[in-house]
Amino acid sequence: EIVMSQSPGTLSVSPGDRVTLSCRASQTINNNLAWFQQKPGQAPRLLIYNGSTRATGVPARFSGSGSGAEFTLTISSLQSDDFAVYYCQQYNSPWTFGQGTKVEIK
Amino acid sequence: QVQLQESGPGLVKPSETLSLTCTVSGGPLSSYYWTWIRQPPGKGLEWIGNIYYTGTTNYNPSLKSRVTISADRSKDQLSLKLNSVTAADTAVYYCARVGYGTDKSYYFYMDVWGKGTTVTVSS
Repeated sequence: EIVMSQSPGTLSVSPGDRVTLSCRASQTINNNLAWFQQKPGQAPRLLIYNGSTRATGVPARFSGSGSGAEFTLTISSLQSDDFAVYYCQQYNSPWTFGQGTKVEIK
Repeated sequence: QVQLQESGPGLVKPSETLSLTCTVSGGPLSSYYWTWIRQPPGKGLEWIGNIYYTGTTNYNPSLKSRVTISADRSKDQLSLKLNSVTAADTAVYYCARVGYGTDKSYYFYMDVWGKGTTVTVSS
């Protein structure tokens, strides 16, 4: 099983900040990686798949990069609606998720 | 617009079988994979397993001995059965649609999710 590790666990930021979240796989996963946003009481929302492809309707301030085993989700200018928990997920069976990064108000 | 709705008992006794249904509206099951994901209270996400619309399944090895996922194309419904449940199976259970494509290799994306249903295992 591929273990996904996200850092940091919690990120305290202000609106307008540039935010970078990291995700590391325990072995290479090519680009088989997705990012999700989850707000309290809601289902996860797909942001990025195939490492860097934005899902339909996702604002351009969200971007994904990386390859192999190291990946990054960048939010270019954090909006108030972006405070949430972010998960990375890899698609090599069995599918696994990172433990999440909470983006909170500073 | 495709929508998913999970349903089933909110309380299950230990050692019994958890049974959930996911009803898909606004689109057929055909041409997609479908998946179940769960999230224990205050914790992260765990993949349970997938089913292709033809019926082919793939399960998380950690749950494989206890889980069955099936699809009823005539009703546009998915089902999840998890037997011999314990308190560790208490979670919010989500169903989701899985799109796929090819680049240099296959990729997948869970793009439509249900709102989730809470299942508590307790006597």
